[in-house]
Amino acid sequence: KAGVTQTPRYLIKTRGQQVTLSCSPISGHRSVSWYQQTPGQGLQFLFEYFSETQRNKGNFPGRFSGRQFSNSRSEMNVSTLELGDSALYLCASSPLTSGGVYEQYFGPGTRLTVT
Amino acid sequence: AQKITQTQPGMFVQEKEAVTLDCTYDTSDPSYGLFWYKQPSSGEMIFLIYQGSYDQQNATEGRYSLNFQKARKSANLVISASQLGDSAMYFCAMRITTGRRALTFGSGTRLQVQP
Repeated sequence: KAGVTQTPRYLIKTRGQQVTLSCSPISGHRSVSWYQQTPGQGLQFLFEYFSETQRNKGNFPGRFSGRQFSNSRSEMNVSTLELGDSALYLCASSPLTSGGVYEQYFGPGTRLTVT
Repeated sequence: AQKITQTQPGMFVQEKEAVTLDCTYDTSDPSYGLFWYKQPSSGEMIFLIYQGSYDQQNATEGRYSLNFQKARKSANLVISASQLGDSAMYFCAMRITTGRRALTFGSGTRLQVQP
């Protein structure tokens, strides 16, 4: 079974620009979560989608948004990029349906550098 | 709110020896799951092991075992017979089963296996 894929793997953007990152979950997984990893703040939850609906959202400004498509693929968008948005963005998929606690499987991440 | 504490920023272990990575957690929710992930320098988070709060026995997965002490709120990872390929960052994480279900991560422990 193919793992979680994320594209692109590396990205360099300029302050003020916007960026869209893509994540394809493991086949059959309907829950997709996004995390930001930085040396200073560690791993922080951005949002979680299930069946095209945002279920949870972390404490990030409105510049960070996401969506999920009917095939469970997800995208996250960051508008008006700031230097502090430079990070590794990780996507995770889970077979979570309702209740229960299921492991999350992570993709390789997209490393975003804002200059 | 949930909190994960990993007090060992870095650890060294000799090849073929066992090593314990510490993790303590805090939550008021009675139903939760505890996870350990490995992150090599490539960036991908690799799921290692999971322990549910109601599981009676400690989880084991190959060379990995989780020493779960619920009363002490600790979930230490034990790696037996360390290998050079075990050198990586290790993260302890928790997810509750009600309300917000994002993973809360600790700050990580960098393990270096020496030949």
